Formats: sequence, structure tokens, C-alpha cells
Amino acid sequence: EVVLTQSPATLSLSPGERATLSCRASQSVDRYLMWYQQKPGQAPRLLIYDASNRATGIPARFSGSGSGTDFTLTISSLEPEDFAVYYCQQRLAWPPLTFGGGTKVEIK
Amino acid sequence: EVQLLESGGGLVQPGGSPRLSCAASGFTFSSYAMSWVRQAPGKGLEWLSAISGSGDNTFYADSLKGRFTISRDNSKNTLYLQMNSLRAEDTAVYYCAKGPIAEHPYYFECWGQGTLVTVSS
Repeated sequence: EVVLTQSPATLSLSPGERATLSCRASQSVDRYLMWYQQKPGQAPRLLIYDASNRATGIPARFSGSGSGTDFTLTISSLEPEDFAVYYCQQRLAWPPLTFGGGTKVEIK
Repeated sequence: EVQLLESGGGLVQPGGSPRLSCAASGFTFSSYAMSWVRQAPGKGLEWLSAISGSGDNTFYADSLKGRFTISRDNSKNTLYLQMNSLRAEDTAVYYCAKGPIAEHPYYFECWGQGTLVTVSS
């Protein structure tokens, strides 16, 4: 099973700042890495698929990069609605499809 | 607009066997694999199971150890999860989610709002 480790667990930033979230895989997942956003009381929402492709309707301030075992989600300038928990997920070695433990982006 | 609406959650006794449903609309249901993902209170996401668009192929997390069964009725645009021998650690919000293609779930393009299953006596 591929284990995904996200860091940091919590990121404290102000609106307008740049957010950089990391996801590291226990083995190579090529570019088959996704990112989701989840707000309190809501279902997750797909942001990025296959490392760097924005899902439909996702603003350009969200970008993904990486391959192999190291991946990054970058939010170029935080908007108030971006404060949430972010999860990564891999699809190369499945079943099972696995998620990281999440990074909470909170207002500083 | 894609919509997924889960139902069937609630308070369940330990050892109980509820069946969750997910009613889909806004897309050609049989053309997409579907999954169930759960989230225990205050915890992260856990993929449980998936089924191909035709229903011919099913996939499970080993952790379920055969207690859960996924199925679908494409004539009713509905996904199901039969859960057996429930225990306290199965308490979670259960989400259904739409995959990007017919044969494999891969990732989750759209999610329902979830249904809470609480296992307690």
C-alpha cells in the first residue's frame, strides 16, 4: 500500500500570502497524484488531478507540481475561501486508493 | 449538473447491517465507475470500495475484510453499499463519489454530501 505523508499538518497564513503544501509518497506514483479541498461540514472537492491538471472550475491560483514521490500544491495568493483542509490521493498502485492525512490551512 | 445524494445512514446497533444508497443524476450513470469513501469524525479520508460502470468489476480495501459489498442498479441510477457486522470504528460520514471513466475509479471528480452512520448501542 502506498502511504502518503502530507506536511505541514497545519499552515498558518494570511490572506494574500502564498501557500505551499507538500505530499510525499512511500514509493513512486509517477504523476498519478490528486489534490482535494475540504471545508468544514462539506464534501471534498477535486482541485488537481494527475499532478498538475486543474479540475473543471478550479481557479488558476491553484497549481500542482511534482512526480515520483514528491508533490506540491501551491496556492499563489490565498483568498478567504481557501482556508480549508487539503488532501492528496494516489491512483498508481491500487487497490487501495490512498489519501494523505491532510494539511489544514488556517488564518494567521 | 452532476448530483449525488446519499441516504441510509443513522444510528445503528453494533453488529447491524444497514444498506446505504446513492442516487445519481446529471450524467450517464452507467458510463462511470463509482466509489464509497468514508471519514470518521475529525479524521481523514478512507477509500472503501469501487465498482465499474457496468457493475462487472468491484474493488475493495483490504481493511473491510469482506464485511461490505458494493453494487449498482444502472436502471435506477443508484449505487449501494451493504454494510455488515458493524462496529464502533465504522462510525463515519460515508460519501459516494464519481470516477472519471467507466472501468476504474482512479480519483473522485464529484462527491455527494455524505450520510452519517453512527454505530452505538
